[in-house]
Amino acid sequence: ILNVEQSPQSLHVQEGDSTNFTCSFPSSNFYALHWYRWETAKSPEALFVMTLNGDEKKKGRISATLNTKEGYSYLYIKGSQPEDSATYLCAVNTGNQFYFGTGTSLTVIP
Amino acid sequence: DSGVTQTPKHLITATGQRVTLRCSPRSGDLSVYWYQQSLDQGLQFLIHYYNGEERAKGNILERFSAQQFPDLHSELNLSSLELGDSALYFCASSVAGTSGGPWTYNEQFFGPGTRLTVL
Repeated sequence: ILNVEQSPQSLHVQEGDSTNFTCSFPSSNFYALHWYRWETAKSPEALFVMTLNGDEKKKGRISATLNTKEGYSYLYIKGSQPEDSATYLCAVNTGNQFYFGTGTSLTVIP
Repeated sequence: DSGVTQTPKHLITATGQRVTLRCSPRSGDLSVYWYQQSLDQGLQFLIHYYNGEERAKGNILERFSAQQFPDLHSELNLSSLELGDSALYFCASSVAGTSGGPWTYNEQFFGPGTRLTVL
């Protein structure tokens, strides 16, 4: 079993603030890292799939970086909006298994 | 709407029973993944099928089985149900390559889930 940790567990920010959170994982057996956005009462929505050390991906105001050598990925949200409120999940793919973190719950206060 | 469909949306059954959950992937996707989300645990990977063949197995109990049919839809069979099997079951699909290769690089599109309640 691979231990994937996400921090913080929850976060409240004001509208317009930028924020970031962390996904940590053992650097061995790494194949790919997936970030998902999961709104309440909906299903997870893929944000990024990252594979290479130093990868950076961006989608609108959301971006992510990956460091496979030290075993972490950061997700950044620039200028948070209320519609960004959701749980952000990361999952590590070891090539034949997916291990999910418990998520960071983000609440953006208008 | 991800394009992945799951039926039924809700299922209530009794301990000891057997149920079948169904998933239809997005058009053109060959890979189907099954996940379990229970109250006390995070999202758990159960099993992955690619074009009809089992490709990877996660924390799937022996009482559970799955298959992917020639039309690419998949079914997850849960038998001898216990109270602890109550959970939200998601399937996801992706465009995929061969096992251990490019399939892992692809985004997964999740269905709306089936909520199973075992009484």
